[in-house]
Amino acid sequence: GESVGLHLPTLSVQEGDNSIINCAYSNSASDYFIWYKQESGKGPQFIIDIRSNMDKRQGQRVTVLLNKTVKHLSLQIAATQPGDSAVYFCAELSHTDKLIFGTGTRLQVFP
Amino acid sequence: NAGVTQTPKFQVLKTGQSMTLQCAQDMNHEYMSWYRQDPGMGLRLIHYSVGAGITDQGEVPNGYNVSRSTTEDFPLRLLSAAPSQTSVYFCASRSWTIDNEQFFGPGTRLTVL
Repeated sequence: GESVGLHLPTLSVQEGDNSIINCAYSNSASDYFIWYKQESGKGPQFIIDIRSNMDKRQGQRVTVLLNKTVKHLSLQIAATQPGDSAVYFCAELSHTDKLIFGTGTRLQVFP
Repeated sequence: NAGVTQTPKFQVLKTGQSMTLQCAQDMNHEYMSWYRQDPGMGLRLIHYSVGAGITDQGEVPNGYNVSRSTTEDFPLRLLSAAPSQTSVYFCASRSWTIDNEQFFGPGTRLTVL
């Protein structure tokens, strides 16, 4: 079946450092991946996406890398700020057009 | 635009009771979906709809019904609530044409006693 998983449940970083959140996916047929940020008590918020014909995409302070060979996705946050503290989910759009979420990584930013 | 709205925000039910979680969007999105999120876990797809009059099952559809009579509304019905349905429920919508970005509602926290 389809599954999307994350390597680390919690990531702690110091303010100003770069953060890297990893995600593995199993469906090699998926062609669209999304990173979401979820703050406590709120719904997920879109951060950045990437299509399978790309291996890198940059946004404001965020970069998503896609390695299709090993079916790995990562989210890099530059100069991490306290406001970045949240749970981050990767999600995969399956060939049946269902958005499948991973279990999430909690990012904690300390001063 | 209000985006995706959900009501109620909180609900407590007794086992066996039924209720409907409301979801509405004002962005004219074709695609709407319902997810549940259990503590420490990701979101799991319950049901989804690709347009008015069309619905389909997601990963965990048992115990839930949906209908899509209009583009704007996508209610989720619990026919006979069970403690295993205690969760936070999120509704989402997206357009086919705008980079597939999916917008989520604020969630409904449901407790079944």
